[in-house]
Amino acid sequence: GDSVTQMEGPVTLSEEAFLTINCTYTATGYPSLFWYVQYPGEGLQLLLKATKADDKGSNKGFEATYRKETTSFHLEKGSVQVSDSAVYFCALSRGSARQLTFGSGTQLTVLP
Amino acid sequence: ETGVTQSPTHLIKTRGQQVTLRCSSQSGHNTVSWYQQALGQGPQFIFQYYREEENGRGNFPPRFSGLQFPNYSSELNVNALELDDSALYLCATTTGTGGVIDQPQHFGDGTRLSIL
Repeated sequence: GDSVTQMEGPVTLSEEAFLTINCTYTATGYPSLFWYVQYPGEGLQLLLKATKADDKGSNKGFEATYRKETTSFHLEKGSVQVSDSAVYFCALSRGSARQLTFGSGTQLTVLP
Repeated sequence: ETGVTQSPTHLIKTRGQQVTLRCSSQSGHNTVSWYQQALGQGPQFIFQYYREEENGRGNFPPRFSGLQFPNYSSELNVNALELDDSALYLCATTTGTGGVIDQPQHFGDGTRLSIL
């Protein structure tokens, strides 16, 4: 079945550091890929998405490129802020599938 | 602020009891999905409702059931509660025909259910 594997956390960075959170997936066909962010005490918010190979999703300084050859969708940001501290989830959906399949999440803490 | 409201925010039950969780969708959203998020894990899909009909189900037993009402609000019912049911329950709503996921899903803040 479909699965998503994220790098294990927690990840702790200083403000203005470069961020990479790795995500790889297993799925048949051509899934759509997503990054969601969850702030403490809140639900999930869609951060960015990509629906086909080589697409780059971007939002709020975050970027991720859909790499079909490596089945990856790594999240990057050039300069993190304290306000980026949250849990980040990589997810996929396939074709007519009705659900999102999530990774286990990566806790990011950014220190001032 | 997503416009998706879940109630209650917190709930404590004991094993064997039954619970009903509620979700009010953003205006115009005709599709609602429910997810279970155990502590330290990603959300797991329970089921989806589209125009009052179940439209897909994950690997959850029949004691997890749901309803969607004509105004598109929804309920998740869990019978015979077990300790492993302790989790954050999230609903997500969207528009579309049958809930194909390429359209943005708007999540509520969840209901934290604790089973003693």
